[in-house]
Amino acid sequence: RKEVEQDPGPFNVPEGATVAFNCTYSNSASQSFFWYRQDCRKEPKLLMSVYSSGNEDGRFTAQLNRASQYISLLIRDSKLSDSATYLCVVNPGDSSYKLIFGSGTRLLVRP
Amino acid sequence: GAGVSQSPSNKVTEKGKDVELRCDPISGHTALYWYRQSLGQGLEFLIYFQGNSAPDKSGLPSDRFSAERTGGSVSTLTIQRTQQEDSAVYLCASSPPWGGRSEQYFGPGTRLTVT
Repeated sequence: RKEVEQDPGPFNVPEGATVAFNCTYSNSASQSFFWYRQDCRKEPKLLMSVYSSGNEDGRFTAQLNRASQYISLLIRDSKLSDSATYLCVVNPGDSSYKLIFGSGTRLLVRP
Repeated sequence: GAGVSQSPSNKVTEKGKDVELRCDPISGHTALYWYRQSLGQGLEFLIYFQGNSAPDKSGLPSDRFSAERTGGSVSTLTIQRTQQEDSAVYLCASSPPWGGRSEQYFGPGTRLTVT
């Protein structure tokens, strides 16, 4: 079983739609969680951290469910510019620096 | 300010040759990471440097891979006797001492093709 698993997609949605991605992680001791965004043939960039209480940044909402070991990302009012691959990232907790990246979920927002 | 830079941006090499990939982290960042990303795959951790501490080499896939970081700044990843399965994008990232080690800033990567 992979340490971090994501549905590869693609999720193909119209502009203005709401879309949600889930990600599961295997290590219950994992400490920190993040969503990174990666555009085609570009480097990953931090989108947002995921806090236990859930957090929101504009149209983006991230949630953590420790009991079920999954993380979610909700995007409201999708824009064409949201088209990208979204990487679920987990700090496994055995060291404070190592991050485990999921393979990513691809989102396509169409006009 | 300047971000993480990597060179070359693209490298095509013949099987069996050695290659060197370079990373210049953001000034003041103490931590430096190397990853590789094969087509359609997630990022695979290779090696981590933090200040003057011994690097974590646990992700290096074989002894053909090595890396060094000189003066706590520039890093070079060397792949000896390249194989076709080494073809991938090699990404370097750095993080500041104050922002939490999770806040990693990535360079644009070096796309390595072994023919």
